[in-house]
Amino acid sequence: ETGVTQSPTHLIKTRGQQVTLRCSSQSGHNTVSWYQQALGQGPQFIFQYYREEENGRGNFPPRFSGLQFPNYSSELNVNALELDDSALYLCASSSQLAGEGETQYFGPGTRLLVL
Amino acid sequence: AQSVTQLGSHVSVSEGALVLLRCNYSSSVPPYLFWYVQYPNQGLQLLLKYTTGATLVKGINGFEAEFKKSETSFHLTKPSAHMSDAAEYFCAVTSPSGSARQLTFGSGTQLTVLP
Repeated sequence: ETGVTQSPTHLIKTRGQQVTLRCSSQSGHNTVSWYQQALGQGPQFIFQYYREEENGRGNFPPRFSGLQFPNYSSELNVNALELDDSALYLCASSSQLAGEGETQYFGPGTRLLVL
Repeated sequence: AQSVTQLGSHVSVSEGALVLLRCNYSSSVPPYLFWYVQYPNQGLQLLLKYTTGATLVKGINGFEAEFKKSETSFHLTKPSAHMSDAAEYFCAVTSPSGSARQLTFGSGTQLTVLP
């Protein structure tokens, strides 16, 4: 059973650019959630995807968008990058069908630095 | 709305001593509660969770936590600290209602284990 994987591991962008982060969910999981973890803080919920549809969203502006694909992998896109977007972006997968949709399993994260 | 408060952003214990990391939550409905651990430059690893049933929950690496509804607490303990326990620990809450099981995290507690 493979765990949650994310790519790339690190990324450096400049202000105003756009970025795409990728996540492959754990085998058997159909739900993907994205979190932003700023330095020294706990993760903050960005949004969740289930069956290729957004299934909930946190307090993040529309320039944060996502996709989920038929194989349940997911992308997080951020447009018009700002310095404050510098953070660790975590993807978590879970299974709504397994009776424990509340348990999320995290990937290693993508560290984004915006200069 | 849900929230999590972790008392003590930094906790230091001697190797072999009791570990106690505090977590209090606020939730309008009976919550699901989690503890995750994060090692440097890594994602989050699930230590243990409480959903329903027995209020004393045992997790990996010798950790356990007790759900106390009257105190709205879910403190994490380990009888004897090991050097490998040094990491950041996050308490999180989610609601069993609704389809988007977003996690709300505390700000974390950095555990240092002294030789």
